[in-house]
Order: sequence, then structure tokens, then C-alpha cells
Amino acid sequence: DSGVTQTPKHLITATGQRVTLRCSPRSGDLSVYWYQQSLDQGLQFLIQYYNGEERAKGNILERFSAQQFPDLHSELNLSSLELGDSALYFCASSVGQGSNTQYFGPGTRLTVL
Amino acid sequence: AQSVTQLGSHVSVSEGALVLLRCNYSSSVPPYLFWYVQYPNQGLQLLLKYTSAATLVKGINDFEAEFKKSETSFHLTKPSAHMSDAAEYFCAVSDLGRDDKIIFGKGTRLHILP
Repeated sequence: DSGVTQTPKHLITATGQRVTLRCSPRSGDLSVYWYQQSLDQGLQFLIQYYNGEERAKGNILERFSAQQFPDLHSELNLSSLELGDSALYFCASSVGQGSNTQYFGPGTRLTVL
Repeated sequence: AQSVTQLGSHVSVSEGALVLLRCNYSSSVPPYLFWYVQYPNQGLQLLLKYTSAATLVKGINDFEAEFKKSETSFHLTKPSAHMSDAAEYFCAVSDLGRDDKIIFGKGTRLHILP
């Protein structure tokens, strides 16, 4: 158990809908990262937050957004969902700037029908 | 830009045999390098990481990896494979100091033959 929690574990929705994925980092970790894992794209970095501020951005679509709250949990919002958004979404956390060891949550499996 | 190439999307070894998973990286600055393992239906777990100290890095479950700058490689090895090692393995690179972003390779699925 990495100490990173993600909810829900599974999510099934329809095209055009909007969903929110939630992540709670390990106790004491200030950085949260979001990744998308799909068969064709592999593991893709989406976005990083550090202590509430966006710090790095990867291949995140404009339909996707994220935020980190004062209690350090993070939410990833996916809107106008398409079939191709079906994937595993992982959250990871780390102590913060200068520490690259990321601890991964169990993931949320999103299925868009 | 940083990148990671993992040679072989699938590797099969017999139980008790040597495990060798290959990883080559590209980085314009001294990198931090990682190996993560993903068991079925689970998240990624850190096996080991290289942070410019010793070039031979020992990780969990008897895995180790050697950083070879001249070959830009960071191959993962284990002397004797166990059935429980069957999983997907990801090599990753990071550039400490710019941001904490980690770039992952496409993964190698390790199959253990009885």
C-alpha cells in the first residue's frame, strides 16, 4: 500500500459526460501528479500540482482540468468525454520539489461507452 | 527533450533464470532514472532509482540496475526469476531541477515460464 488513495476505483459513463476523479496524497506529500495509462499511448504524464499551485503540464487535453485543494487532495475533471478517453488514470504523490520519487495510487479505471 | 526506450515489449524467462530488461535513455543533463513495476490491476511501485551516487543501484526483491553513461543505459537485472516477478516493468527518466516530471518508457511485460 503506497498511502495514496484514489476514488472511485471504476467509473463507467457515456460520451459527452463529465466526471471527477479524486486523489488523496500520502501524508506529508505536497506534490500530486496525474497520469493517463492506455494501451496505445502507454503511461502519459498529464499535470502536476505542488502545494496548491500548478507546477508542470504534460499531454493534458483542454477538456481536462485539475486542481489541488488546501488539504492537498486533488481532483481531475474530465469533460465532454470521448470513447478514446477510456483509460486508467493514476495519481501519484511525492514530498515535493527536488524529490522525484513518486508513489502511485491504485488508479481509477474509466470506461466511456 | 528527455526520452526512454525500453527494448522488447514482452520478455519471457524461465523460473530461476536471469532476468534482463533493457532501458536506454536520452537526456541533455545528468538524469535521475527509475524502474517501476506494475502488477496486474495495481498501481506502479518503485523498484529502484539512480540519483548520481553509485552506478550500481540495488532495489527491492533482489532487482538491481546499472547506470552506464557511455551507453546511456540503465538495464534492470535479477539473478533468479520467481513466478511472482511476472508483471509490467517501466523505466523512467527525470530531470531534477527543472521540474519533477517523470517520463516513462512504454513498458516491458515480463513472463515467467515454469
